[in-house]
Amino acid sequence: SQQGEEDPQALSIQEGENATMNCSYKTSINNLQWYRQNSGRGLVHLILIRSNEREKHSGRLRVTLDTSKKSSSLLITASRAADTASYFCAASSGGSYIPTFGRGTSLIVHP
Amino acid sequence: DAGVIQSPRHEVTEMGQEVTLRCKPISGHNSLFWYRQTMMRGLELLIYFNNNVPIDDSGMPEDRFSAKMPNASFSTLKIQPSEPRDSAVYFCASSLASQETQYFGPGTRLLVL
Repeated sequence: SQQGEEDPQALSIQEGENATMNCSYKTSINNLQWYRQNSGRGLVHLILIRSNEREKHSGRLRVTLDTSKKSSSLLITASRAADTASYFCAASSGGSYIPTFGRGTSLIVHP
Repeated sequence: DAGVIQSPRHEVTEMGQEVTLRCKPISGHNSLFWYRQTMMRGLELLIYFNNNVPIDDSGMPEDRFSAKMPNASFSTLKIQPSEPRDSAVYFCASSLASQETQYFGPGTRLLVL
């Protein structure tokens, strides 16, 4: 099955800065999803981007998709301490493939 | 909608005991997933169901693990007998279709002594 691999594993920034996380995958996809997990909680869906889309926005979140490079990035602008969490990507392909998750990027935003 | 409901939220048991985790997916969702999360292994997909039928159980660690979905509104994950290495947080998630957005429950934190 398809798997997303996030990079970097950990990211530490100051409040107000932008945070960029990357995701790479191996084969052609139908869609790619980004999720957030706060400590001790379940994953929460952020954005789904389909293979025919190049960019999507949701509030302070911006996701890009480059199918030629088999990669996606998640940008959080003007970060806040409340953005501290782990961020996961999951890519799904055609057929019976379901999205599977990588190890995630641990983001710490210092107030 | 109340979202995905899991019970219990916490479980502490002794090695060798049977553990049953429960999940109620979001009404109308056709796919249900069971995951296990640990620091060492990250988030692992154990099994997923589509329309109550198990589709892929290749992630189930061994025969001690079993999962059922007797109807569209209920699923169980059973570990028998449990071992200390089974200690983890177990998540259930549901989605309208297998490749679409997954909605996660709060998880069950399992500790096997």
